[in-house]
Amino acid sequence: GAGVSQTPSNKVTEKGKYVELRCDPISGHTALYWYRQSLGQGPEFLIYFQGTGAADDSGLPNDRFFAVRPEGSVSTLKIQRTERGDSAVYLCASSPTGSMDTEAFFGQGTRLTVV
Amino acid sequence: AQSVTQLDSQVPVFEEAPVELRCNYSSSVSVYLFWYVQYPNQGLQLLLKYLSGSTLVKGINGFEAEFNKSQTSFHLRKPSVHISDTAEYFCAVTGSYIPTFGRGTSLIVHP
Repeated sequence: GAGVSQTPSNKVTEKGKYVELRCDPISGHTALYWYRQSLGQGPEFLIYFQGTGAADDSGLPNDRFFAVRPEGSVSTLKIQRTERGDSAVYLCASSPTGSMDTEAFFGQGTRLTVV
Repeated sequence: AQSVTQLDSQVPVFEEAPVELRCNYSSSVSVYLFWYVQYPNQGLQLLLKYLSGSTLVKGINGFEAEFNKSQTSFHLRKPSVHISDTAEYFCAVTGSYIPTFGRGTSLIVHP
């Protein structure tokens, strides 16, 4: 079966531009996570969806970052007025229910480069 | 609050030698513990997890980990590594519904 799919795999944008990163989770998974991974670091939590709602967005660094999951499946991470410090690999993961004892299934990530 | 510490950023080892990758955690509640592996140009995938019961957990590719509650550790081991084990390894903890990851340890296996 299909795993978690993230598009695009690479994105280069100019400072100040708006970008959207897409995540297609595993079908039927209700929990969806966005993480950001900088070079030499582990995944850093951004936002967690349970169904259509953002259950926890405490990891979003500032109000330039926003994410949606309108139908409880595909999610889009949106970054306004991008800055060079936003350059990182953005990871999406999904989980069947979001329960603590269940593994997260990760996509391959979107590498964002802000120039 | 929960956190994970992986003290070793890189672990070089020769092929067929044993290896241990260290992970320590802190949490104010009971936790579940995971090890993920990230091969070059691939997404993270689960190696093994500790939920309850036996403190020695076996995973894929010959890896195992031991949960030590008194030392708050969950070290990953393999008795004999292969070149193909070269990858980034991440320890993660869930005490809430959000997995928290360590910074990762790069395992480099030399022939």
